[in-house]
Amino acid sequence: EPEVTQTPSHQVTQMGQEVILRCVPISNHLYFYWYRQILGQKVEFLVSFYNNEISEKSEIFDDQFSVERPDGSNFTLKIRSTKLEDSAMYFCASSEGQLAGGYNEQFFGPGTRLTVL
Amino acid sequence: AQSVSQHNHHVILSEAASLELGCNYSYGGTVNLFWYVQYPGQHLQLLLKYFSGDPLVKGIKGFEAEFIKSKFSFNLRKPSVQWSDTAEYFCAVIGNTDKLIFGTGTRLQVFP
Repeated sequence: EPEVTQTPSHQVTQMGQEVILRCVPISNHLYFYWYRQILGQKVEFLVSFYNNEISEKSEIFDDQFSVERPDGSNFTLKIRSTKLEDSAMYFCASSEGQLAGGYNEQFFGPGTRLTVL
Repeated sequence: AQSVSQHNHHVILSEAASLELGCNYSYGGTVNLFWYVQYPGQHLQLLLKYFSGDPLVKGIKGFEAEFIKSKFSFNLRKPSVQWSDTAEYFCAVIGNTDKLIFGTGTRLQVFP
């Protein structure tokens, strides 16, 4: 069964450093997403991406964040200068998009745990 | 703004007990509703979803949920839980865009 994969599973970085989180969505999916979950809090939407551009972003997704689909298979989330409060589990998701009756299921990856020291 | 509330943060049951997890959402328009489950050490998986039609939807592993529009609710149920149902359960809603809005999750522990 096809699945979304993410690397690395755990990333530890120093405050102020840049990190790139990588995701390989399901191959025939066209819509891509990043969510994050700070420990003990709810899963929060960060950004959606379709047709090589951002469709929607949340207030969390400020100028320190960027997304890219560099080669047609990977989907990356970059944080330019990490802050302590960026420590969280980051989930990538992908879907086929909108159906006639609603939105298709989003398939989630296993997550990358980012720890900023 | 859209929001989702899950009132049960931690539920502890014995095997064979019945389960109902509450979910209420806040959104005035047409909604798509989802329940996701996260088993220990695994990623979020879809249990079931509601788009339209029959408000009682059946999902995988014997789970079902009922959409009650007048109560803005989408409660998850299972008549008889198993130890393997131990997991975290997330209710989520999609409104007028495709971003999922999640509740805080309910941790279910089932003891044999």
